[in-house]
Amino acid sequence: DIRMTQSPSTLSASVGDRVTVTCRASQSIGGWLAWYQQIPGKAPKLLIYQTSILESGVPPRFSGSGSGTDFSLTISSLRPQDVAVYYCQQYSTYSLLTFGGGTKVEL
Amino acid sequence: QLQLQESGPGLVEPSETLSLTCTVSGAYVSSKSYFWGWIRQSPGKGLEWIGTVCYSESTHYNPSLETRVTISVDTSKNQFSLRLSSVTAADMAIYYCARADSGAAGGYFNHWGQGVLVTVS
Repeated sequence: DIRMTQSPSTLSASVGDRVTVTCRASQSIGGWLAWYQQIPGKAPKLLIYQTSILESGVPPRFSGSGSGTDFSLTISSLRPQDVAVYYCQQYSTYSLLTFGGGTKVEL
Repeated sequence: QLQLQESGPGLVEPSETLSLTCTVSGAYVSSKSYFWGWIRQSPGKGLEWIGTVCYSESTHYNPSLETRVTISVDTSKNQFSLRLSSVTAADMAIYYCARADSGAAGGYFNHWGQGVLVTVS
């Protein structure tokens, strides 16, 4: 199976900072990567799919990039409401979907 | 507006079978455009994909759970269900149902239920 490794596990930043979370796949997944945001006590919410396509309604300060095995999620200017855990998920094959371990973004 | 709602017992005894249902409104589980999945999250932990089912009742399961998991669709009730047998304390988690687009570019979950906590005790 494809393992997804996120780093860092926790990230501390200030309002207005540029924040980057990385996700590495154990083998190439092309561009089949999604990012989710999970606010404490809530269900995950899709932010980005196919590496860089923003889901409808997601603020443009969020962006995604990468290909193959290395991917990143960037928040261009951190807002207080962005405090959450962020997960990547590969979907290069329907038969085996896997999530990264998560990155907690805190102020 | 699409809504997914999980339901089922919040408490399951060890060695018993966990059974949850996801009721879908705003879309049809029989649609060829989507597949339906279960994801869980142990307390304080990350997300774990359990499995998915599509309209044809074709299923895919996480290999780590495959021997204990069954996911099925009930088109008459517009629901899909999860059964996990022989549960242990390690199966205590919030269980989410979710929808993904099918097709060559699908596989990410764009709609989620609110989740239901299942305790094993």
